[in-house]
Amino acid sequence: SQQGEEDPQALSIQEGENATMNCSYKTSINNLQWYRQNSGRGLVHLILIRSNEREKHSGRLRVTLDTSKKSSSLLITASRAADTASYFCATPTRGNQGGKLIFGQGTELSVKP
Amino acid sequence: DTGVSQDPRHKITKRGQNVTFRCDPISEHNRLYWYRQTLGQGPEFLTYFQNEAQLEKSRLLSDRFSAERPKGSFSTLEIQRTEQGDSAMYLCASSQGGGGMVHEQYFGPGTRLTVT
Repeated sequence: SQQGEEDPQALSIQEGENATMNCSYKTSINNLQWYRQNSGRGLVHLILIRSNEREKHSGRLRVTLDTSKKSSSLLITASRAADTASYFCATPTRGNQGGKLIFGQGTELSVKP
Repeated sequence: DTGVSQDPRHKITKRGQNVTFRCDPISEHNRLYWYRQTLGQGPEFLTYFQNEAQLEKSRLLSDRFSAERPKGSFSTLEIQRTEQGDSAMYLCASSQGGGGMVHEQYFGPGTRLTVT
């Protein structure tokens, strides 16, 4: 079963705009991870945020985590056409810090030049 | 090391045939994972290994599915008597795990299976 739900399911923006994707999850977590997947390819790890962190940055990426609301958001600033991809949030199952990940259904981002 | 590799990248097979996929993880990683992904969905966990030990299997992994990691290096995933519902992308990932530390997973390019 899927743990997380991403919102929106699809997002289309112009190059240079910011893109915000949201993820909600059901159970308590130790960390939450975001991955990107280009069409027909494998997933690429973007960023990991621990349950005791509220915000984390990596280049043009900003991730927030609200454990009280069981939600996270991924912000991509100054988007580029190359950012076009599907974005997934994923969480390890409770009490399992290095094992399987439970993925959401993903947000399909399209950045138009 | 060039990352996680999977072979073949594409496989078309007739219903009822057996197929086997191979995954070569990043060499220093002790954990290896298999996931399945259907169109428009996120990956779903199938099984994972720490070294050669298979630590967890999903209920998605029916009796027709078997995975091995005989020497704690590469892994194979075999599907016997394939069904059309097995058509999906099969993803392999590896990570350095254990010791209570959290590590990201590195994914291979996947094997796309089509059962006709």
